[in-house]
Amino acid sequence: NAGVTQTPKFQVLKTGQSMTLQCAQDMNHNSMYWYRQDPGMGLRLIYYSASEGTTDKGEVPNGYNVSRLNKREFSLRLESAAPSQTSVYFCASSDPTTNTDTQYFGPGTRLTVL
Amino acid sequence: AQKITQTQPGMFVQEKEAVTLDCTYDTSDPSYGLFWYKQPSSGEMIFLIYQGSYDQQNATEGRYSLNFQKARKSANLVISASQLGDSAMYFCAMRERSRGNQFYFGTGTSLTVIP
Repeated sequence: NAGVTQTPKFQVLKTGQSMTLQCAQDMNHNSMYWYRQDPGMGLRLIYYSASEGTTDKGEVPNGYNVSRLNKREFSLRLESAAPSQTSVYFCASSDPTTNTDTQYFGPGTRLTVL
Repeated sequence: AQKITQTQPGMFVQEKEAVTLDCTYDTSDPSYGLFWYKQPSSGEMIFLIYQGSYDQQNATEGRYSLNFQKARKSANLVISASQLGDSAMYFCAMRERSRGNQFYFGTGTSLTVIP
């Protein structure tokens, strides 16, 4: 039972390049999330998917797109990377049918945009 | 307005002592959940403890307890008998039922346990 997995762990991009961050969970959770973590800012929600086939914007969606490929997988795409997108990206999943709806996180992807 | 406020950027505690990490929240939703996560230097986010707004008793999980004061809108984390491995960033978070699945995180508190 791997929980939430993310690939890659590290990535360096040049300004204007594109890339997709991959996330998968094996906990049969309906909901999945993408956050970014910047120094002194805590975690901020980029996009989330309440269930397969749905996605919604979070607090900081500009410059990103997402795809909920199936129940297990939720990808985050940067179409034209900018230095302001240098951050650590976390994927998370949760089961809203539980009382706590606790979010469980992947190990993170450290992205640097030059 | 900030949904979650953590006013202690850094805290120090002697090994084996107890420490309280502060968290206040802002919501008008009667149904919400409060969470604490630990982020060690390796970077992963580890779930520690949960408190529901309707829970009558303070949550406890091993050495972690949540001091929930609803009227004051505070949800402080208490770590008893601190260990060197407790040195990490600690984040408070809230989920409001009216806003579906959105979590709001505080800016975190860095805890250092001194031998």
